[in-house]
Amino acid sequence: EPEVTQTPSHQVTQMGQEVILRCVPISNHLYFYWYRQILGQKVEFLVSFYNNEISEKSEIFDDQFSVERPDGSNFTLKIRSTKLEDSAMYFCASRATSGRVTDTQYFGPGTRLTVL
Amino acid sequence: GEDVEQSLFLSVREGDSSVINCTYTDSSSTYLYWYKQEPGAGLQLLTYIFSNMDMKQDQRLTVLLNKKDKHLSLRIADTQTGDSAIYFCAEILSGGYNKLIFGAGTRLAVHP
Repeated sequence: EPEVTQTPSHQVTQMGQEVILRCVPISNHLYFYWYRQILGQKVEFLVSFYNNEISEKSEIFDDQFSVERPDGSNFTLKIRSTKLEDSAMYFCASRATSGRVTDTQYFGPGTRLTVL
Repeated sequence: GEDVEQSLFLSVREGDSSVINCTYTDSSSTYLYWYKQEPGAGLQLLTYIFSNMDMKQDQRLTVLLNKKDKHLSLRIADTQTGDSAIYFCAEILSGGYNKLIFGAGTRLAVHP
């Protein structure tokens, strides 16, 4: 069964450094999402991406965050200058193309980001 | 506003039924979902229910929706040790690009 993959599984970085989290969505999907979960808290929506542009973003997704689909297969989340409070599990998800709300969002295993 | 609440922990004996509860606040929810997360794995969709339904059954899983009280539950019959995981309730609101709004997750522990 096709699956969403994410790399790395764990990223440790120093405060102020840039990080790029990578995701490979399912190949025929066109809707992409990033979510995050701070330890012990809810899974929060960050951003949705469709047709090479952001379709919706949350208040968390400020100017420090950006997303890109550089080569038609990868979907990346960049944090320009990490803060301690960015430490969380980041989940990528992708969805099929029919546009029906029941289309499942398939999630990757997550990247745990630790900012020191 | 959008808010989904779940109890954080549930412990059951193997073979018993588990009931995981969830409440939500936004009456414009269109679909409600249950996701399962096993250690080291991503979020796996278990089942979903449309907001105009009261109940949905899928093998050992039964979803009950009380729209008046904005209460959703997931019942797992004959709970097995392999059911030990974190279960997330999530909703999609009308409009938007189908972002999921999650609860904090309920950790289900199944013991012999």
